[in-house]
Amino acid sequence: KQEVTQIPAALSVPEGENLVLNCSFTDSAIYNLQWFRQDPGKGLTSLLLIQSSQREQTSGRLNASLDKSSGRSTLYIAASQPGDSATYLCAVPGANNLFFGTGTRLTVIP
Amino acid sequence: SQTIHQWPATLVQPVGSPLSLECTVEGTSNPNLYWYRQAAGRGLQLLFYSVGIGQISSEVPQNLSASRPQDRQFILSSKKLLLSDSGFYLCAWSPWAGDQPQHFGDGTRLSIL
Repeated sequence: KQEVTQIPAALSVPEGENLVLNCSFTDSAIYNLQWFRQDPGKGLTSLLLIQSSQREQTSGRLNASLDKSSGRSTLYIAASQPGDSATYLCAVPGANNLFFGTGTRLTVIP
Repeated sequence: SQTIHQWPATLVQPVGSPLSLECTVEGTSNPNLYWYRQAAGRGLQLLFYSVGIGQISSEVPQNLSASRPQDRQFILSSKKLLLSDSGFYLCAWSPWAGDQPQHFGDGTRLSIL
């Protein structure tokens, strides 16, 4: 069964710093990987989806990379802002669902 | 554009009472629909998914059931709630193609007293 792990569980950084969130998965036979953002008490917002044929995907200050062979993905956030504070989740598809990590709770300090 | 609606946003129910959470999707046809639960300190767990009207698959045995009476409507139900049913319930949809992203609703916070 696919297992998804996210490290660290929580991260605090001062505003303006660049940061990296990590995601690892045990079964590398995936066809995409998705990064989500979840604000407290809210649903999930899809940030980026990387197909297995891609190595990177960018959206604004966000850059996600995927290394299938090593079972890893990273989410890079440039010039962090207080509004980036949220929980970030990565997910990989199973046969009929997504397997989620438990997330990284990010706090950007003004 | 497609939108997904969940209601209610918050619900407080006594143990043993029934439950009905509703999810609807607009702007798409024949979506795959999903119910997830997010318990405190834990990741999201898939409860049910549906690939079409009346077609429900359950991922884990539990006190809950799901129904899809219309193409874009997904309902999560229980006849008698347990304390362990407390959590944050999320509905999601994806296009019928399996390699497309899932999109989530705003969730329902369910507290059982």
